[in-house]
Amino acid sequence: ETGVTQTPRHLVMGMTNKKSLKCEQHLGHNAMYWYKQSAKKPLELMFVYNFKEQTENNSVPSRFSPECPNSSHLFLHLHTLQPEDSALYLCASSQRGIGELFFGEGSRLTVL
Amino acid sequence: GENVEQHPSTLSVQEGDSAVIKCTYSDSASNYFPWYKQELGKRPQLIIDIRSNVGEKKDQRIAVTLNKTAKHFSLHITETQPEDSAVYFCAASRDTDKLIFGTGTRLQVFP
Repeated sequence: ETGVTQTPRHLVMGMTNKKSLKCEQHLGHNAMYWYKQSAKKPLELMFVYNFKEQTENNSVPSRFSPECPNSSHLFLHLHTLQPEDSALYLCASSQRGIGELFFGEGSRLTVL
Repeated sequence: GENVEQHPSTLSVQEGDSAVIKCTYSDSASNYFPWYKQELGKRPQLIIDIRSNVGEKKDQRIAVTLNKTAKHFSLHITETQPEDSAVYFCAASRDTDKLIFGTGTRLQVFP
């Protein structure tokens, strides 16, 4: 596998469920990101990790909990979500200082 | 924090015509301005970027201009082709690591 891969590609969950999204990058980058893409806000920054350290939490509700165990892996743990959280969640990676974001294909989340 | 506004939200042009998309930003300290293209059902991909030390950058049919005084930047696509049809996003950041995106422009190029 090359680039940025995300699993699962599609996820349906109830409001009381707990699930996780996974992202893995094979580019040797040192920064990883979660973006939310919906009709209302097409590309909304959620979290930024540099060298495994969280450097940005863009006022995201606590029902979204990120985890970055190493510079190649990023998780987004989900619990007690709301229907309005239904969206495409995009992971991205970059090399700090270079700028270009490499996006994964996204995880399409539906909250019932 | 940074706020980026993008216009128009939709743009339709005839093949061969030019297309221009404009963005404004709020943070005068922003110094990095990329443009991403997202085709239907695909991931966003970088097409061109510009840093604050230059006013214009060109790559074949695509060019970006930056006016730091007015805090706006624009994407210009010349000789448009049907494969240019996509959603285009501008973005701005103070450093390269916290990109704030505009709301996107859906470009349709009709043959």
